[in-house]
Amino acid sequence: GAGVSQSPSNKVTEKGKDVELRCDPISGHTALYWYRQSLGQGLEFLIYFQGNSAPDKSGLPSDRFSAERTGGSVSTLTIQRTQQEDSAVYLCASSLTGTSGYEQYFGPGTRLTVT
Amino acid sequence: AQRVTQPEKLLSVFKGAPVELKCNYSYSGSPELFWYVQYSRQRLQLLLRHISRESIKGFTADLNKGETSFHLKKPFAQEEDSAMYYCALKSPGGFKTIFGAGTRLFVKA
Repeated sequence: GAGVSQSPSNKVTEKGKDVELRCDPISGHTALYWYRQSLGQGLEFLIYFQGNSAPDKSGLPSDRFSAERTGGSVSTLTIQRTQQEDSAVYLCASSLTGTSGYEQYFGPGTRLTVT
Repeated sequence: AQRVTQPEKLLSVFKGAPVELKCNYSYSGSPELFWYVQYSRQRLQLLLRHISRESIKGFTADLNKGETSFHLKKPFAQEEDSAMYYCALKSPGGFKTIFGAGTRLFVKA
C-alpha cells in the first residue's frame, strides 16, 4: 500500500511568512510524529499524536510552531512568522501505535528554505 | 536526560573492510534501541532493533548496558552500504524517540 506522503516536497518562503506542511500517514496507523532534520543536528522530535489523545508537544521549539491532526489521519504542521533558523527538512512518520515494538515509517520530507 | 551520541559524523572505509558505527546512550533504565538508515534519495527506514537480535543486510548491533553502547557492525562493508545511519532510543512503553546526530558511512571501491 501507499506509504507516508508529505507535501509540498520543497518550500521556499520569505522570512516572516507563515507556512503549512502536510502529512498523510499510512492508513490505519494511529501514531503520527513530526521531526526536524537539520544539517549536523540529527532528527529533532517535534510533536507526537496518538489516536484521539492530546498530542505531546514537548518538542516544539517555540510558540510559532503548531500542529494539528484532523480525524485521526492527516496532520498539518504550521510555522508562523518563519525565521531563517527554521530552514530544515521536516519529516513525518507514522506507526501502527506509539507503543513498543512498532516501527516508524517515514515520509520523504518537506525541505523548507527561509530566505 | 535521555541522549544518544554518535561521535563520528563521517566514517570512510574500503569495500571488504570491517565497519563499526558507534552509538552511546544516556538513559536510566533499559531503553529500546534502534538503528535507522537513509540511503541517497531514499526515505529514512528502520535497519534493526535490539529487541529482535537480528542481522539485517549483514549488520548486527549488540546492546552493552555496562558501556551504554549500541554499536552497529558489519564484518565486510559493501559499496551499497554507503548511507546515513542514525542510532535512536525509545523508552519501553513510551513513544518519544530520541535520535543521534547521525554518521555518514562512505564505502570506497
